[in-house]
Amino acid sequence: QSVLTQPPSASGTPGQRVTISCSGSSSNIGSNYVYWYQQLPGTAPTLLIYNSNERPSGVPDRFSASKSGTSASLAISGLRSEDEADYYCATWDDILSGPVFGGGTKVTVL
Amino acid sequence: QITLKESGPTLVKPTQTLTLTCTFSGFSLSTSGVGVGWIRQPPGKALEWLALIYWDDDKRYSPSLKSRLTITKDTSKNQVVLTLTNMDPVDTATYYCAHAHSKWLPPDYWGQGTLVTVSS
Repeated sequence: QSVLTQPPSASGTPGQRVTISCSGSSSNIGSNYVYWYQQLPGTAPTLLIYNSNERPSGVPDRFSASKSGTSASLAISGLRSEDEADYYCATWDDILSGPVFGGGTKVTVL
Repeated sequence: QITLKESGPTLVKPTQTLTLTCTFSGFSLSTSGVGVGWIRQPPGKALEWLALIYWDDDKRYSPSLKSRLTITKDTSKNQVVLTLTNMDPVDTATYYCAHAHSKWLPPDYWGQGTLVTVSS
């Protein structure tokens, strides 16, 4: 049972916009930055978004994110076949005193 | 360029102790703010944080596994070691080590991971 709640799946056709939600509480998302990771099949997670809405260099601007209160969301616009992956949100939890993760969302490009 | 690599056994027996080493480059664990953590992922399941150690030897553990975990660092060797005692088949997972830019932030750079299977 993950501390952060994500939908298990999302899908879209090429070119569409897909949004993934991440729900937490005041002790985690509500008071800390949110990170997003992309995990391609058989590989390690890679950082997609940090500080709730900033993209590391090399991440396409098709990926964007936002945070409001105790929830966050990741949007993928102009969906491409190579975006098929699992996406995880993460943040720090002040009560657990460590990072917490969402259960992951599998994105399928139809 | 920050890189991390996990090493250790691929197969352990139930009740044994797992020892994993993370060897990293591109940063120093003596730099203020920096940390290295361990996260695992059972096959087909989500990520689970295990432990973190920071430049000042501050150590954090997942409350659910704290009694079984120990994390240490060797700054001169650029290594972090994780031990997990009393292994059980449910501990079968890919174990990742990862770099944390500062305290109170999730990890940013990840190693490739190492699959550990617990079976007799």
